[in-house]
Amino acid sequence: SQQGEEDPQALSIQEGENATMNCSYKTSINNLQWYRQNSGRGLVHLILIRSNEREKHSGRLRVTLDTSKKSSSLLITASRAADTASYFCATGTHASGGSYIPTFGRGTSLIVHP
Amino acid sequence: DAGVTQSPTHLIKTRGQHVTLRCSPISGHKSVSWYQRVLGQGPQFIFQYYEKEERGRGNFPDRFSARQFPNYSSELNVNALLLGDSALYLCASSQDFTGGLYEQYFGPGTRLTVT
Repeated sequence: SQQGEEDPQALSIQEGENATMNCSYKTSINNLQWYRQNSGRGLVHLILIRSNEREKHSGRLRVTLDTSKKSSSLLITASRAADTASYFCATGTHASGGSYIPTFGRGTSLIVHP
Repeated sequence: DAGVTQSPTHLIKTRGQHVTLRCSPISGHKSVSWYQRVLGQGPQFIFQYYEKEERGRGNFPDRFSARQFPNYSSELNVNALLLGDSALYLCASSQDFTGGLYEQYFGPGTRLTVT
């Protein structure tokens, strides 16, 4: 089963609007990462937020993390057509022996209409 | 600089066969991870290797194995292929493996189809 689950599954907005997608997870995490995948291209890392952080910014991206609710949100402000992509959250937990197990959600498909 | 490269791009195999997928990390990266992505799902973690040693293993059967070479490139091997192994196999490299705090760079993937 997926550790992280993104919501909504799909989102369609007009260029210039803000896009918000959420990620919920089930077990304690060390950090949470957001990735983007444009059609036909590989996954691209967007932001990493650690479990002791509450908010992080990168350009037009803002990520929040609420460990009490086991949820995170990704906000894209002033969206552009080029933001059209699938967005994934990935949660990380440490396993025995120091190994790190990342778990991805199913993703949110974002379409930004010009 | 070249990103993460994977070969082959596409592959069609028959049930019961064996397959080897290859990955070259970004120069200077010592950690390689493998993921399986089936349609409608996010990537599922298979293995992580660092300095030629396995540092993490996901919930996959023993038919899946991997190794990392001295030049940090890696191979993913799958034996006794099943139809359900059809997927996009992604390789990701990072500078280190410590706690997942290093950004992972993904390759374009190898599309495996098992018939």
